[in-house]
Amino acid sequence: DARVTQTPRDKVTEMGQEVTMRCQPILGHNTVFWYRQTMKQGLELLAYFRNRAPLDDSGMPKDRFSAEMPDATLATLKIQPSEPRDSAVYFCASGLPGNTEAFFGQGTRLTVV
Amino acid sequence: GDSVTQMEGPVTLSEEAFLTINCTYTATGYPSLFWYVQYPGEGLQLLLKATKADDKGSNKGFEATYRKETTSFHLEKGSVQVSDSAVYFCALSVTSGSARQLTFGSGTQLTVLP
Repeated sequence: DARVTQTPRDKVTEMGQEVTMRCQPILGHNTVFWYRQTMKQGLELLAYFRNRAPLDDSGMPKDRFSAEMPDATLATLKIQPSEPRDSAVYFCASGLPGNTEAFFGQGTRLTVV
Repeated sequence: GDSVTQMEGPVTLSEEAFLTINCTYTATGYPSLFWYVQYPGEGLQLLLKATKADDKGSNKGFEATYRKETTSFHLEKGSVQVSDSAVYFCALSVTSGSARQLTFGSGTQLTVLP
């Protein structure tokens, strides 16, 4: 059963610490999305990759957030330094080219204290 | 830019009641339209989709019809169950050049009471 895998599922960290979230897209999918979900803002697109190249990261705070795809099986989202306002659930999703659906992971719940 | 507007929640219904969640969109080009469902503690799962005007997507008793004339994609179910309690997201996808924009509505919380 192919699925998007995210680790860790939960992360509690202190303000100022570096946080790294990982995502393994479905094998063969060449598009990867990072979303942030909060009660206040809903689902926000942070970054979008195609064939490992970032196509749109306009939704991501550049001073502290960075997203990469070291290879086709791994996407990472880093926050350095983390702040309490970064507390949210971060979702990774993958898909195929064209107007097809995105497949979501279960998310990483981040709490910055 | 592209956007999706959903009816405000939360929505509370009794079991076996009829459900409608309204969704309208604004998009350049020819979007595909989706309904996703999110159960507590889980990621979003695709519920149904429609890729062109007048298409009807259906799954698990839920239906939605792509109405280009009214730019709408309302979600309906004839008889809801307690297990349908979740957050429902309307979304659209438009491909522009090499980029694909996937835009979500704000979500509608549905609670079904026994």
